[in-house]
Amino acid sequence: AQSVTQLDSQVPVFEEAPVELRCNYSSSVSVYLFWYVQYPNQGLQLLLKYLSGSTLVKGINGFEAEFNKSQTSFHLRKPSVHISDTAEYFCAVKDFGNEKLTFGTGTRLTIIP
Amino acid sequence: GAVVSQHPSRVICKSGTSVKIECRSLDFQATTMFWYRQFPKQSLMLMATSNEGSKATYEQGVEKDKFLINHASLTLSTLTVTSAHPEDSSFYICSAPRTGSTYEQYFGPGTRLTVT
Repeated sequence: AQSVTQLDSQVPVFEEAPVELRCNYSSSVSVYLFWYVQYPNQGLQLLLKYLSGSTLVKGINGFEAEFNKSQTSFHLRKPSVHISDTAEYFCAVKDFGNEKLTFGTGTRLTIIP
Repeated sequence: GAVVSQHPSRVICKSGTSVKIECRSLDFQATTMFWYRQFPKQSLMLMATSNEGSKATYEQGVEKDKFLINHASLTLSTLTVTSAHPEDSSFYICSAPRTGSTYEQYFGPGTRLTVT
C-alpha cells in the first residue's frame, strides 16, 4: 500500500522569502506524484505533477518540485512567495495502473507580510 | 480545460433527513468518479469509487447504506447522505479522471454539508 507523509502541518514564511514544503512517499511500485493547492472552502487545484522524465517539474504560480527516487521525496519549492500563496497544499501519489489518489495530511502555508 | 462541477456548494439540513450531492463532468466523459470527505483542517479521505453503470466500490469503514452513490451517466454521479446526523457534517469533494487519461484527475469545488 502507498502512503504520503507531509511532516510540516504549518509553515509560516515572510513575503518574498523562499519556501520548501516537504513530501515523502512510500510505494512498492512506480508512481505518479502530484501537488495540489486548496484555497479556503474550495476544491483542489493541480499545481504540478511528475509522471516521468525530468525530475524537476515546473508548475503554475511559480512553483516547482523535484522528484528524488532514492529519497522517495517530492518537495515543493517557490523562490519568492506572495500573500496570495496562503493556502493548504497537499501532496498526492498514484500507483501506475491504479486510478486512486492517496493524499498527505496537508501543509498550511501562511505568508507573513 | 476540463471542469467538474458540484451542486449544491453549501447545504444545511436537519438531522434525520437525506441530502443529495451532484457531481458533473462538464466537457468530458467520466466512467469513474471519486468521492472524498474532508474534515476541517484535515486531508481528503477517499470514501468510494463511483462506476458508471455498476455498483460503487466503498473504502473500508464507509457505510454503503448511509452514503448512497449512483453513477447513472457518463457525466453525472450523485452522493446521497441518508438519515444525516451532525457527525456527517463535512466537506465533500468529487473528482473525475479524464477518460483515456491514466494520471490526471479533475476535482470539483466541493460541497459543504452542515447537519443541525
